[in-house]
Order: sequence, then C-alpha cells, then structure tokens
Amino acid sequence: NAGVTQTPKFRVLKTGQSMTLLCAQDMNHEYMYWYRQDPGMGLRLIHYSVGEGTTAKGEVPDGYNVSRLKKQNFLLGLESAAPSQTSVYFCAIATTPYEQYFGPGTRLTVT
Amino acid sequence: RKEVEQDPGPFNVPEGATVAFNCTYSNSASQSFFWYRQDCRKEPKLLMSVYSSGNEDGRFTAQLNRASQYISLLIRDSKLSDSATYLCVVNGGDYKLSFGAGTTVTVRA
Repeated sequence: NAGVTQTPKFRVLKTGQSMTLLCAQDMNHEYMYWYRQDPGMGLRLIHYSVGEGTTAKGEVPDGYNVSRLKKQNFLLGLESAAPSQTSVYFCAIATTPYEQYFGPGTRLTVT
Repeated sequence: RKEVEQDPGPFNVPEGATVAFNCTYSNSASQSFFWYRQDCRKEPKLLMSVYSSGNEDGRFTAQLNRASQYISLLIRDSKLSDSATYLCVVNGGDYKLSFGAGTTVTVRA
C-alpha cells in the first residue's frame, strides 16, 4: 500500500457519536486525500491536503473535519455521525496530485 | 452530469478473450487521465496512465480521444486475475482527481 496505513479498519458507530480516522504514511509525500466510496458511485473526495498544516474541501465535505498537523498524518473527524456517513473511507497519498496511492480503507457503519 | 461516466458492466468474458470498454469525461480542460484497478473490497491501485498518443502496458492498451472526450481500455488475452473493477480517472482541476464509478470485468475459465 505504498506505506499508507489506516486506523481503524472497521468501526460501528451509533448516530450522534464521534470518531477520528487516522491515515499515516511513511513515504514523505506532500499530498494526502480522504475519499468515501459508496455502492454504484465513484470515489468522492471529502477533504485533501497539499502539505503539512494545509487542508482544503473536496466534493463532499459536510459533516467532516480534517487536520494535518504533522506531514505524515492526515486525520478525518466525524463530529456527530449520521447513517448517511456509512461508507468505505479511503486515504490516498501522492507526490504529484494525480498518481495517488491508496490505503486499505476503513469500513464504517453508522446505525 | 457526472464528470466521469462509465458503463458499469459487468463484462463477462472467457479466458483468452479480448475485452474493451470506454469512459467519457465532461471537462474538456482535463489534461491527465488514468485507469485504476480495484479488486473486491480492496483499495484502488494505479493500473496505467493514458497518454495522448495511446499507450500499451503488456496486455493492456489505453487510448485517449480528446475530440470526443473519451478514454478506452483494452485487455488482450484475458486472465482470471484480470477480474476486477476498472476505474476511469481524470484530473478534476487543482490537485484533485475525478473517479468514475467503475466497469466490472469478470473473466471465466
């Protein structure tokens, strides 16, 4: 997985609970991304970062927050989980924006 | 309109066959194009970039048609291990990629 790990691999939350997903890399790549993947839909970008201390909104940012305090870590937070956030979440890293390498994913279920 | 559209398939082909499929993209300013492969319940992995002149990587051939805004992927001599979902990917401007929903290929013995 090109040195990308995601924690946790699986999680079940109740509506209204909060959690943080961690993406960690050991490749020293500048660009990091959070996507969600739902059946029948392409990967949708939630937030991304072009370097340490930077974050930007993607296509579907509502209900999520992110932080990149250290270059190797990109955190995705859900403050108050909703069933619509049930999905598979993938982190990706890149040296250029377009050749992205993905982590193994986190499967999140919100009941 | 979706930025990247793909025929979801499935394309069900016997081993050794040739299979080809396209995707269309809406942003005429896109400059970078890719095919990613995703196995069931796994992460997407970069299969190949797509260049203007077309390119081959072993049994895989990718073509780009800018005038009609589509990208194609052809797989020759299909193997069982080629069974996967193939994602068409286009740069979506400023550090971002736009992903199609994928075309599923199943190669049968």
